[in-house]
Amino acid sequence: AQSVTQLGSHVSVSEGALVLLRCNYSSSVPPYLFWYVQYPNQGLQLLLKYTTGATLVKGINGFEAEFKKSETSFHLTKPSAHMSDAAEYFCAVTFQGGKLIFGQGTELSVKP
Amino acid sequence: EAGVAQSPRYKIIEKRQSVAFWCNPISGHATLYWYQQILGQGPKLLIQFQNNGVVDDSQLPKDRFSAERLKGVDSTLKIQPAKLEDSAVYLCASSSQDSYNSPLHFGNGTRLTVT
Repeated sequence: AQSVTQLGSHVSVSEGALVLLRCNYSSSVPPYLFWYVQYPNQGLQLLLKYTTGATLVKGINGFEAEFKKSETSFHLTKPSAHMSDAAEYFCAVTFQGGKLIFGQGTELSVKP
Repeated sequence: EAGVAQSPRYKIIEKRQSVAFWCNPISGHATLYWYQQILGQGPKLLIQFQNNGVVDDSQLPKDRFSAERLKGVDSTLKIQPAKLEDSAVYLCASSSQDSYNSPLHFGNGTRLTVT
């Protein structure tokens, strides 16, 4: 079955530290991959997406993600965390234009 | 451009009561989605419309949930009768194309509490 897994439901980093949020998928066909961010009491906002082409994708707010087919991963990174990055982050995947499947989410906390 | 509008923001009802949520997508967006987000989980697609037609409602509990988009613009999601496990945030999203290559724009959601 096709699925997406986010490792770690809660990640805590210090301000200025590297942010790494992990996402793995299972599929036998090439996926489209997305990261969404959800601030408290708001809807989801697209951070970045991978469909085809360059495997390193840059998004908004300094985030980027790299599609690694051999590892079936699409981890989200940011070199230096800011307090405003505190939010819930969702990895999502669609296979051949099918429905979007979301991971369970990772809550990012940023300590001053 | 104005974003996806949803109302109400919060709703508290007792089990077995009925409730309705409203969504107005971004102007010109043909595709509209309703998602259910239970606390601690990612959003789950309930139903997808393309204009006023249903594309996917395979995960909609049709014995109690219904949705319509009569004129291909705004949409209503109804639950009747509600159960305790329906407590969740109901998110509406829209996109310009019937393709997930086109990003989804989400509303702020309606938080439903069933007591």
